[in-house]
Amino acid sequence: AQKITQTQPGMFVQEKEAVTLDCTYDTSDPSYGLFWYKQPSSGEMIFLIYQGSYDQQNATEGRYSLNFQKARKSANLVISASQLGDSAMYFCAMREVTNSGYALNFGKGTSLLVTP
Amino acid sequence: DVKVTQSSRYLVKRTGEKVFLECVQDMDHENMFWYRQDPGLGLRLIYFSYDVKMKEKGDIPEGYSVSREKKERFSLILESASTNQTSMYLCASRLSDGYSNQPQHFGDGTRLSIL
Repeated sequence: AQKITQTQPGMFVQEKEAVTLDCTYDTSDPSYGLFWYKQPSSGEMIFLIYQGSYDQQNATEGRYSLNFQKARKSANLVISASQLGDSAMYFCAMREVTNSGYALNFGKGTSLLVTP
Repeated sequence: DVKVTQSSRYLVKRTGEKVFLECVQDMDHENMFWYRQDPGLGLRLIYFSYDVKMKEKGDIPEGYSVSREKKERFSLILESASTNQTSMYLCASRLSDGYSNQPQHFGDGTRLSIL
């Protein structure tokens, strides 16, 4: 069963505007973590931000912030003041704890296009 | 900075060949991972290794095997390549320090085509 859902296949935003990329998740584990990654057209996956299930505050990293609503099981990424270089695929992922380590379960991604 | 290096950016092989994809990380990370990425499907975990000579199957291990003889190197092996294994393959590594917020660090990916 899919555990991470990104409902927006594609999004457009104008330069300097803010944009929210949606992510909902499903888990019965009280301890979990949520990661966001950016993948430009060149292919590399770039780590952006992390939110732990026990973190009291929403995570922020520069222009990136997480709108974490635990009861709704959502962890939306907010990018403020969009730049042309933000055009990329964005993936939400949830950490799963297995017997032998941590694996990530990824959503299908959202393609973001920033226009001038 | 963490550096994860995948041996080839692009690779073309023939059906039935044995294919090796190599991945090397330079940060002494215990955990290493292999994913494949297909349009509309996101990233799917093939195998991961939590330490040298240790491995665990991911979600789609069929048709693949892995080898981790040294800590810095994690190899993905396609025993007999088939056209449905044409894909983008991504390797990642992660520090296992007991803190769950450690991210996975990715290589640039290998675009593999099986003809």
